[in-house]
Amino acid sequence: DIRMTQSPSSLSASVGDRVTITCRASETINTFLNWYQQKPGKAPNLLIYTASNLRSGVPSRFSGSGSGTDFTLTISNLQPEDIATYYCQQTYKTPRTFGQGTKLEI
Amino acid sequence: QVQLVQSGAEVKNPGASLKVSCKASGYTFTGYYIQWVRQAPGQGLEWMGRLDPKSGDARLAQNFQGRVAMTRDTSINTAYMELTSLGSDDTAVYFCARDYSYYGYAFDIWGQGTMVSVSS
Repeated sequence: DIRMTQSPSSLSASVGDRVTITCRASETINTFLNWYQQKPGKAPNLLIYTASNLRSGVPSRFSGSGSGTDFTLTISNLQPEDIATYYCQQTYKTPRTFGQGTKLEI
Repeated sequence: QVQLVQSGAEVKNPGASLKVSCKASGYTFTGYYIQWVRQAPGQGLEWMGRLDPKSGDARLAQNFQGRVAMTRDTSINTAYMELTSLGSDDTAVYFCARDYSYYGYAFDIWGQGTMVSVSS
């Protein structure tokens, strides 16, 4: 199975900050890397697919980059509504695997 | 609109079985795989398996082989996930989701989740 490792596990930032979360795959996954946002009591919500493609309706302050094994999610100009846990996921191979999550606090 | 609506919360005794439904609407049910993911309290996301609603073929995560069945009823656009021999560590929220090939098979639509508590 492909292991996905996110860092940091938690992060405290201020409104207006630029925040970066990293995700590393245990083997190459090309760009089959997705980012989800999950708020308490809710289902995950897809933000970015195939490493760098912003899903329609997602604010442009979210961006993603990377390929191979190393990926980043960047939130520029952090807003209060961005408080959530963020997960990366690979869809290159089955089983689909998720990172352990990064809890973002403001 | 495109949505997945899951069945309601369940409380089960250890050793019992569970069947969660996931009803699709707003799109062609047989055109997209249904994925199942669970989340234990305070924990991360665990992929359980996927169902091809067109063929009925299911592929399960190794951890769940022999204990999970994924089925569907195309006449009512509904997928099911059945989990047997429940233990306390099966207490979790169970999600169904659709994957979308155009998005690199990312899970673009999620059900609201079904909370399952296993306790004697």
